[in-house]
Amino acid sequence: KQEVTQIPAALSVPEGENLVLNCSFTDSAIYNLQWFRQDPGKGLTSLLLIQSSQREQTSGRLNASLDKSSGRSTLYIAASQPGDSATYLCAVIREWGAQGGSEKLVFGKGTKLTVNP
Amino acid sequence: NAGVTQTPKFQVLKTGQSMTLQCAQDMNHEYMSWYRQDPGMGLRLIHYSVGAGITDQGEVPNGYNVSRSTTEDFPLRLLSAAPSQTSVYFCASSLGTIPSYEQYFGPGTRLTVT
Repeated sequence: KQEVTQIPAALSVPEGENLVLNCSFTDSAIYNLQWFRQDPGKGLTSLLLIQSSQREQTSGRLNASLDKSSGRSTLYIAASQPGDSATYLCAVIREWGAQGGSEKLVFGKGTKLTVNP
Repeated sequence: NAGVTQTPKFQVLKTGQSMTLQCAQDMNHEYMSWYRQDPGMGLRLIHYSVGAGITDQGEVPNGYNVSRSTTEDFPLRLLSAAPSQTSVYFCASSLGTIPSYEQYFGPGTRLTVT
């Protein structure tokens, strides 16, 4: 069964610091990996989608990498700001078209990030 | 585009009551799904659909029904609400074409069952 683990569960950093969030998964048979941001009481906002054939994706101050063979992904946030404070979730995506099985999109439990001014 | 919309935003039910959580998307996405989010458990898949008329169970389907009569709508029905169904419910959709599968989420419905 696919399991997704995010370490650390919580992280507090001063403004301006560069930081790395980690995501690991047990089954490398994935199509994609997606990083989300969730603000308190809100829905999930997609940050980056890495296809299984890619090794990294970048958007602004965010860079996500994927190493399928080792079952790991990292989200790098450069020059962190107080507005980056949120919970960051990673999810691995398997094929949806086949009937049966329940592990289509499996989430980690998230890393709660606090960036202090 | 409004994206993925969910109604209601908040709901309180008594044990045994039934209700339907609404989900709609205007992006012509084939794939839609329902998740529940509970503290310490993360997000778990309840039901999903790969197109109109096609649905399948996820990880935690018991106590919930779905149907998909149109591409746009994917309602989630609670048959007889139980306190264990107190949770935040999210609907998501994706275009569903390889290799993308990027998921878009609605704002959620916060449900309390007393």
